[in-house]
Amino acid sequence: QLVLTQSPSVTASLGASVKVTCTLSRGYSSYPVAWHRLQPEKGPRYLMKLYPDGGHKKGDGIPDRFSGSASGTERSLIISSLQSEDEGDYYCQTWDTGTHWVFGGGTKLTVL
Amino acid sequence: QVHLVQSGTEVRKPGASVKVSCQSSGYTFIKYGVGWVRQAPGQGLEWMGWISGHNGDTEYAQRLQDRVTLTTDTSTSTAFLEVRTLTVDDTAIYYCTRGPPFRTATSPPDYWGQGTLVIVSS
Repeated sequence: QLVLTQSPSVTASLGASVKVTCTLSRGYSSYPVAWHRLQPEKGPRYLMKLYPDGGHKKGDGIPDRFSGSASGTERSLIISSLQSEDEGDYYCQTWDTGTHWVFGGGTKLTVL
Repeated sequence: QVHLVQSGTEVRKPGASVKVSCQSSGYTFIKYGVGWVRQAPGQGLEWMGWISGHNGDTEYAQRLQDRVTLTTDTSTSTAFLEVRTLTVDDTAIYYCTRGPPFRTATSPPDYWGQGTLVIVSS
């Protein structure tokens, strides 16, 4: 069964870098994921699509501080030079049989 | 720019139905699809279904398919989500997203609506 697993929360300091990781269930290492961010009062925003080889395609207007990496079943969103505006809930998402989307449980990012 | 603008907050009693609209602009509606996702209070994101703006094909989450209907009006670039036989567990923010035009495409939901709060309460 296709499941995406995320840590519930991560905390990092202003100006630092953070890696938010999503793990695909065993047997799905060839699957890409997409990353989305939800922020109160701002709504959701698509960040990037991350491929198994680590290549990624970012959404419109997503700054260079956002990148991704992949290894095996892990798909990671990396945010450098953290800003307070980066706080929010980050969700990974993948595709089960085409248009059936599967979401991870979300990771709450806190910037100190 | 691409915009998806959803209808406003709805309050319903258990057993009732609700219909949420999502009007798209800034792109050619029939070249994409619309996916619907919801978030219950304190919970994560749940995919509900998808409809093609090109040909009206639909896919539904298995656990919701008996109560949910997706439609589009291509003349106004608007997608609709109807949920019937509401229960308190359907209380959530409902989001539309721009998605792929075809059933087998794996392009991501790359634009989101602002969300519509649906409250189900007796």
